[in-house]
Amino acid sequence: EIVLTQSPGTLSLSPGERATLSCRASQSVSSSYLAWYQQKPGQAPRLLIYGASSRATGIPDRFSGSGSGTDFTLTISRLEPEDFAVYYCQQYGSSPPVTFGPGTKVDIK
Amino acid sequence: EVQLVESGGGLVQPGRSLRLSCAASGFTFDDYAMHWVRQAPGKGLEWVSGISWNSGSIGYADSVKGRFTISRDNAKNSLYLQMNSLRAEDTALYYCAKGVRELLRPPFFDYWGQGTLVTVSS
Repeated sequence: EIVLTQSPGTLSLSPGERATLSCRASQSVSSSYLAWYQQKPGQAPRLLIYGASSRATGIPDRFSGSGSGTDFTLTISRLEPEDFAVYYCQQYGSSPPVTFGPGTKVDIK
Repeated sequence: EVQLVESGGGLVQPGRSLRLSCAASGFTFDDYAMHWVRQAPGKGLEWVSGISWNSGSIGYADSVKGRFTISRDNAKNSLYLQMNSLRAEDTALYYCAKGVRELLRPPFFDYWGQGTLVTVSS
C-alpha cells in the first residue's frame, strides 16, 4: 500500500499570499494518478485536481497541481478568504485500495 | 445538479449491523462507479469500498473486508453499504462519492454527499 505524507501539517498565511503544499508518496504513483481535495469545516471534500495537474470542473485557475513519481505539489497562487481549509492528496495509481494523505490545514495568519 | 444524499447512520452497539443508503440524482447513475469514503471524528479520509456501474467489479479496504458489503440498485439510483460486526473503530462520517467513469478505476471522486454519521458504542 502506498503511504502519502503531507507537509507542512499546518500552513499559516495571509490572504493574497502564495500557498505551496507538498504530498510525498512512499513509492512511485503510476501515471501521476494523484488528486487533491479541499475540505472546509462541516462540509464534504471537494475535488480540486486530478491526474496531478488537471483542474476539476469549476475550480479557479489560482489552484494548480504539479509533480510526478513520488513528489507532488498543490499551489494556490493568491489565497482568497474562502481558500482557508484542509487539503488532502489522494493516490489512485495502485488501487484499490486508494489512499489519502493526512491533510494540510491552511489557516489565516 | 448532482446530489448524493446518505441515510441510515446512527448509534449501534459493537457487533451489531447497520445498512447505509445513498440516493443519487442529477446524473445518469448507471454510467458511473460509486464509492463509500469515511472520516473518523477529527481525522482524515479513508476509502471504504467501491462498485462499478454494473456491480461487476467491487473493492474493499482491508479494514472492512469480510464485514462490509457494497451494492447498488440502478433502477432506484441508489447505493448501499451493509455493515456487519461493527467495531468502535468504524465510528465515522460515511460519505457516498461518485466515481468519474463506469469502471472502478480510476477511483477518484468528483462529487460527494454530506455524509451520515455512524457511532459504534455500547
